[in-house]
Amino acid sequence: AQKITQTQPGMFVQEKEAVTLDCTYDTSDPSYGLFWYKQPSSGEMIFLIYQGSYDQQNATEGRYSLNFQKARKSANLVISASQLGDSAMYFCAMREGPQAGTALIFGKGTTLSVSS
Amino acid sequence: GAVVSQHPSWVICKSGTSVKIECRSLDFQATTMFWYRQFPKQSLMLMATSNEGSKATYEQGVEKDKFLINHASLTLSTLTVTSAHPEDSSFYICSARHGGSYEQYFGPGTRLTVT
Repeated sequence: AQKITQTQPGMFVQEKEAVTLDCTYDTSDPSYGLFWYKQPSSGEMIFLIYQGSYDQQNATEGRYSLNFQKARKSANLVISASQLGDSAMYFCAMREGPQAGTALIFGKGTTLSVSS
Repeated sequence: GAVVSQHPSWVICKSGTSVKIECRSLDFQATTMFWYRQFPKQSLMLMATSNEGSKATYEQGVEKDKFLINHASLTLSTLTVTSAHPEDSSFYICSARHGGSYEQYFGPGTRLTVT
């Protein structure tokens, strides 16, 4: 079974609109971390946001927020007021266990296209 | 912030030759570094976990004799693709953990093309 599932291969949104990128995860470990990364065509991985499994509040970082629904095992990324520069591939990832030195497990990604 | 560099950023080599890719943490010490591989339009797949001063831990299906990893210091890990073949052409990305931070910092990646 996949540990990280991103069901949207591609998403299209207009500038200034909000968009939600879906991510569900599967783990039996009570301690885990969830990440979102942006990968533009240049290939670099840009860290966007992090949510720990014990965090009580949803994480927010500027225009990015993470809609964390623990019971449903979902960690959707919400981008408010989309910009043309947001067009990129977006990956949801998980670190299982409490050790920060554990490798990340990535989903298949969602390609976001923002139009004017 | 924490910066991870990779060198080279892209490389073309002939089939049968070996290629070394360097991953450096520029402003922090990284006891653990990770090597990922990414095919076009696909996800990042973990190849191996590199720990300073010890042997790397390879993921199932990754040939350790083909992908040699050395983590000789707290700021440098190297991945050597030995006897490269066209199917090894891919984007290789390293990441490093910074101290007690939850975040992993990624290098800019190395695009390998084997002709």
